[in-house]
Amino acid sequence: GAGVSQTPSNKVTEKGKYVELRCDPISGHTALYWYRQSLGQGPEFLIYFQGTGAADDSGLPNDRFFAVRPEGSVSTLKIQRTERGDSAVYLCASSLVTGVSGANVLTFGAGSRLTVL
Amino acid sequence: AQKVTQAQTEISVVEKEDVTLDCVYETRDTTYYLFWYKQPPSGELVFLIRRNSFDEQNEISGRYSWNFQKSTSSFNFTITASQVVDSAVYFCALSVVGNSNYQLIWGAGTKLIIKP
Repeated sequence: GAGVSQTPSNKVTEKGKYVELRCDPISGHTALYWYRQSLGQGPEFLIYFQGTGAADDSGLPNDRFFAVRPEGSVSTLKIQRTERGDSAVYLCASSLVTGVSGANVLTFGAGSRLTVL
Repeated sequence: AQKVTQAQTEISVVEKEDVTLDCVYETRDTTYYLFWYKQPPSGELVFLIRRNSFDEQNEISGRYSWNFQKSTSSFNFTITASQVVDSAVYFCALSVVGNSNYQLIWGAGTKLIIKP
């Protein structure tokens, strides 16, 4: 697609429920990132995919969070047993891989705003 | 450990004024990249510039300019003749080359308000 697409744009759920957030990256971008942004703060890294595999999941806060990218394109971030502290904007980004780690320029989606009541 | 500090939480200026957004970073690594991203009210982060640690040459792009000084670990961003459309939150970020992880370390952002 022309840009990074994230759905839903807004999700309100109750504490303890399961949530899935979807990211459709730019076609041809093999690198995909999930970040989380709380109000008034910079994005916080969650996970990085190179192709189908998670190359770095060191930012996932706990085992309630899980992400997949089965065909190397669309990715789904899954949150189990949601807590009020999970409320944030979840950002997805994709990039071409330059071959130099750290140099990738990210293209972000508009984010999925999650509110846990 | 790496860290990015944007000490200015919010800046408000009148249109056509020049404004500088400060960014100070910390890293022990010698090879790294610095970035600036813009986040308008729509929420989508937009890439502005990338600079590697071996290139201290300042850069100008239209009304935007960047001053990278390794001696003070700073990468400041100046908007000349500001416009209302420049109103946004601006983030500075750091990425270290050669790490096994690929994360960007972000500052907390500076909210820039340009008044007409």
